[in-house]
Amino acid sequence: GENVEQHPSTLSVQEGDSAVIKCTYSDSASNYFPWYKQELGKRPQLIIDIRSNVGEKKDQRIAVTLNKTAKHFSLHITETQPEDSAVYFCAASIPWGGGSNYKLTFGKGTLLTVNP
Amino acid sequence: GAVVSQHPSWVICKSGTSVKIECRSLDFQATTMFWYRQFPKQSLMLMATSNEGSKATYEQGVEKDKFLINHASLTLSTLTVTSAHPEDSSFYICSAPPAGVGGELFFGEGSRLTVL
Repeated sequence: GENVEQHPSTLSVQEGDSAVIKCTYSDSASNYFPWYKQELGKRPQLIIDIRSNVGEKKDQRIAVTLNKTAKHFSLHITETQPEDSAVYFCAASIPWGGGSNYKLTFGKGTLLTVNP
Repeated sequence: GAVVSQHPSWVICKSGTSVKIECRSLDFQATTMFWYRQFPKQSLMLMATSNEGSKATYEQGVEKDKFLINHASLTLSTLTVTSAHPEDSSFYICSAPPAGVGGELFFGEGSRLTVL
């Protein structure tokens, strides 16, 4: 099955700095890569995603890059703010059910702390 | 975006009792729902895939007789933790992929189970 490795497990940055979280996946059939932000005791919230036919995607201060050859993808947060503090999970997904559904495998998460 | 609702949010029960958790898709139909378990400071681990009108598919290592899943309609899946023990205490969270969205999962609020 799919295996997703995520690094680092914890990341502390100063407000205004950039934060980068990296993930690798094992199954070359994976074609959908979402990133989720989870605050303590709450549900994961999708913040950005990328599909295998795209190398980079950006949404304001958040960007994701994908290298299919190397099987790794990264989350980049610029101009970090204290409210960005949370646990971030990457995931990789293989389509199944005739391609209409996706089963996600999550990385272990990164605790991001943005210090004021 | 699509809304997935989970109930109850918190439940405390005595060891040996059973607990039922409901997951509802409020504004879309879900033929498939996913149940995850999350221990403190850990990632989301897929327990099983709930299929409307048929048996659930369990991940390796998950006891199907202990974690009963019923997906009786296109908007409701239930997870019953039978004969709960303290080691079953965890955050249980469901998710559903709206058809046609192309991969994005919408998560319920999660249910925190504490077994005394």
